[in-house]
Amino acid sequence: DTAVSQTPKYLVTQMGNDKSIKCEQNLGHDTMYWYKQDSKKFLKIMFSYNNKELIINETVPNRFSPKSPDKAHLNLHINSLELGDSAVYFCASSQHPMTSGSRNEQFFGPGTRLTVL
Amino acid sequence: KNEVEQSPQNLTAQEGEFITINCSYSVGISALHWLQQHPGGGIVSLFMLSSGKKKHGKLIATINIQEKHSSLHITASHPRDSAVYICAVPTNFGNEKLTFGTGTRLTIIP
Repeated sequence: DTAVSQTPKYLVTQMGNDKSIKCEQNLGHDTMYWYKQDSKKFLKIMFSYNNKELIINETVPNRFSPKSPDKAHLNLHINSLELGDSAVYFCASSQHPMTSGSRNEQFFGPGTRLTVL
Repeated sequence: KNEVEQSPQNLTAQEGEFITINCSYSVGISALHWLQQHPGGGIVSLFMLSSGKKKHGKLIATINIQEKHSSLHITASHPRDSAVYICAVPTNFGNEKLTFGTGTRLTIIP
């Protein structure tokens, strides 16, 4: 059974389109994350949700809107796609939010490679 | 300057060699993470440590909190160990987030 799953694995689309990436975890974790990995393979956090509530929102264009219908799902919707949005997007989860003093291992999904033409 | 620096950026070694990858960070942390990204792109958490040393199979991770430095060692390296190894530290107070190093691309030649 896959712990953290993402769909689709690959997404090729035209500039200006709106697309969504879905993420589901079956680990019973409270906290989920979206990361972006750019062409230089550098990972950076975008969002974090704890029990459906947004707790981290990095400086990300508001074309990106995460939605958490329940604590097992965190979807990422992107409006008006731009060339610079091309990247690999990783979803991850951890038992609890990462707060000072806690040690929470993160489990990553397989990634979604988004290509904007 | 990145909060998390890794060295080397690229490492090529012969099968069987002892491998060391280094990570230095500039912030106070609760725990440091080592991750492995396979050539196919998947990311796996290898270690999370806040002091001393951890061992898992032929992987060993050490951390020196005072020096803000961690190392990942691979003994008896094998071509299947070829991957990108990434260290990450939690930053921010309150709701912390992982800040990642740029990764070390390891290639083990048979």
